[in-house]
Amino acid sequence: KAGVTQTPRYLIKTRGQQVTLSCSPISGHRSVSWYQQTPGQGLQFLFEYFSETQRNKGNFPGRFSGRQFSNSRSEMNVSTLELGDSALYLCASSSEVPPHEQYFGPGTRLTVT
Amino acid sequence: GEDVEQSLFLSVREGDSSVINCTYTDSSSTYLYWYKQEPGAGLQLLTYIFSNMDMKQDQRLTVLLNKKDKHLSLRIADTQTGDSAIYFCAARGGYQKVTFGTGTKLQVIP
Repeated sequence: KAGVTQTPRYLIKTRGQQVTLSCSPISGHRSVSWYQQTPGQGLQFLFEYFSETQRNKGNFPGRFSGRQFSNSRSEMNVSTLELGDSALYLCASSSEVPPHEQYFGPGTRLTVT
Repeated sequence: GEDVEQSLFLSVREGDSSVINCTYTDSSSTYLYWYKQEPGAGLQLLTYIFSNMDMKQDQRLTVLLNKKDKHLSLRIADTQTGDSAIYFCAARGGYQKVTFGTGTKLQVIP
C-alpha cells in the first residue's frame, strides 16, 4: 500500500500571499488530519476531516481552512500569509477501525518571507 | 482539553536502555500512541496501547501504562545510534482529535 503523500514538499511564499497544500491519504482511509509543526510550538492540531466533513478543529485563526474531496484527498489553504506561518505542515490519515492510528506524510515545508 | 507532557531531552549510551516518560490529563483517553520523528521527516508510528492494558511489548519496545496516574512510558532496550530521534506520545479518546506531547529528543552516545 502506498503511504500518505503530500505536495509540494517545499514552498516559499511572500507575506500576504495565499497557499494551498495537498494530501493524499492511504487507500481506504477516510480520515485526514492536518498539523502545524514549529520549533517553538511543537505539533499543533489544525483540523480533521472525515467523509468530506470537518470532524474536529484546533485553535487556529480563520485564515487556515481545509476541505476533503469524495476520494478522501484533502487540501488545506492558508490565506494572507504571515511570517509566523513558516512551519512544517504534516498530514496524517487514519482508518475508522480501532486503534485509529495515524500515518503521517513527509510534510510540506512552508517558508514565508 | 487534553494536555500531554513529556520531558524535552534524554541522553543514553549505546547498548543501554532508554525510558521516555509521558503524562496525560484526560482519563477518557482510550488509545495512547508512540511516534518517532527523524530529522526532516514525518512521524512514524512505533506502537500503541489501549487504555485497558497495562503493558505491551513489541521487539525492543515496551510500553507501560499506569492509568491511575495517567502515566505512559516507552522503554527501548539495547538502544542504538539509529534510535536517535524525537519521540512523541499522543492520546486519543474515541473519535476525538489526537493530542501530541511536546516530544522528547533522544540522543544516543556511541
